[in-house]
Amino acid sequence: EAQVTQNPRYLITVTGKKLTVTCSQNMNHEYMSWYRQDPGLGLRQIYYSMNVEVTDKGDVPEGYKVSRKEKRNFPLILESPSPNQTSLYFCASRQGIGLGYNEQFFGPGTRLTVL
Amino acid sequence: TQLLEQSPQFLSIQEGENLTVYCNSSSVFSSLQWYRQEPGEGPVLLVTVVTGGEVKKLKRLTFQFGDARKDSSLHITAAQPGDTGLYLCAGADTYNNNDMRFGAGTRLTVKP
Repeated sequence: EAQVTQNPRYLITVTGKKLTVTCSQNMNHEYMSWYRQDPGLGLRQIYYSMNVEVTDKGDVPEGYKVSRKEKRNFPLILESPSPNQTSLYFCASRQGIGLGYNEQFFGPGTRLTVL
Repeated sequence: TQLLEQSPQFLSIQEGENLTVYCNSSSVFSSLQWYRQEPGEGPVLLVTVVTGGEVKKLKRLTFQFGDARKDSSLHITAAQPGDTGLYLCAGADTYNNNDMRFGAGTRLTVKP
C-alpha cells in the first residue's frame, strides 16, 4: 500500500530536549516536505526537499532541521524544542514538481506538545 | 506571500442540506486543489483544477475554479454525515509550482 508514515504519532516533551520525528514514504517520490498545522493558520511549510541531499527552507523554518540522506526518509529534527513549537506536524510527499505532480500524499500526523 | 482565505470557517448543517464553501485570494494560481482532512488523519486530495472556469464533479461534490484563477468553490449536494471534516484549499504559485499555499480550512459538521 502506497503511504507516508510518521513516528511517533504523539509526543510530549520538555523544553530543550532534542527530538526527531521520522517520516518515510514508499512511493519513490522525489519531493518531500514538512508542515505544521495550527488552528486558524492552516498548513505552513517548514522545510522541503526536492531530492536526496537537496533541502530548502519553507515559510517557518526557525527552530527546525531536516536531512535527506535517502530518497524514502525525511526526518524532522528539533534541536532545542520550545513551547511555541507545540503543534500538529505533517510529512508529505509527491512525485515531483510541476503541474502534473502536485498531488501531495500526507502522513497521519504527529501531535507534539512541548512543556 | 499568496494568501488563501476560506469561508466560512465553521459550518454545521443537517443531513440532506446543500452547502457551498469558498476559497479566495488576490493572487493568480496555476492550479488549485481541495483536500479533506478527517480527525487524526492527514489531508487527502479530492480534486485539482487547472483551467479558469473549470468545473469538476466528484459524486455529490462540485468544484469550480474562478475564471481569473484566483478563487474556487466547493458545493456539496445532499450532505451526509460522512462528509464531516476539514476542507482545505491549496493554490500553486503561477511561476513556481513548487510553492503551494494552504488556506486555514472550513470545518464542516453534518448532523444526522
